[in-house]
Amino acid sequence: EIVMTQSPATLSVSPGERATLSCRASQSVSSNLAWYQKKPGQAPRLLIYAASTRATGIPARFSGSGSGTEFTLTISSLQSEDFAVYYCQQYNNWPLTFGGGTKVEIK
Amino acid sequence: QVQLVESGGGVVQPGRSLRLSCAASGFTFSNFAMHWVRRAPGKGLEWVAVISYDGSKTYNTESVKGRFMITRDNSKKTLYLQMDSLRTEDTAVYYCARGSGYSSFTWFDSWGQGTLVTVSS
Repeated sequence: EIVMTQSPATLSVSPGERATLSCRASQSVSSNLAWYQKKPGQAPRLLIYAASTRATGIPARFSGSGSGTEFTLTISSLQSEDFAVYYCQQYNNWPLTFGGGTKVEIK
Repeated sequence: QVQLVESGGGVVQPGRSLRLSCAASGFTFSNFAMHWVRRAPGKGLEWVAVISYDGSKTYNTESVKGRFMITRDNSKKTLYLQMDSLRTEDTAVYYCARGSGYSSFTWFDSWGQGTLVTVSS
């Protein structure tokens, strides 16, 4: 099983600042990586797939990068609606696995 | 637009069974692989199972093998998860999620709101 490790577990950021979230895979997943946003009481929302492709309707302030084992999600200027938990997910191997999540909170 | 609506959750005793359903609308259901993903209290997301677009292939995560079965009825545009021999560690919100296309190796581009399953004596 590919283990996905996200860091940090919690990120405190002020509105308008940049947030950088990391995701590391225990073995290469090529570019088969997605990012999701999860808010309490809501369904997860796809942000990024294929490591760097924004999903339909996702604002340009969200960007993804990386390949192999190291990936990054960057939120260029945090808006109030961006405070949430973010998960990465690999779809290169069975079983499909998620990272443990990074909570982005208001500083 | 794409809609996925789960139902069937509830409180059940350990060892008992439960069947979840997910009603799909707004897209051609038979063209997409479908998944179940869960989130236990205080934990992250965990992929549970996938079924191919035509129902011919299924894969489960190891912890539910032999206990959970994913099926679909394309004529009814409905996804199911039969959960037998439930354990307390199966307590979670269960989400129905659409794969991005025919492939089962994929990301999830649409999600339902989830249904809560509580396994407790």
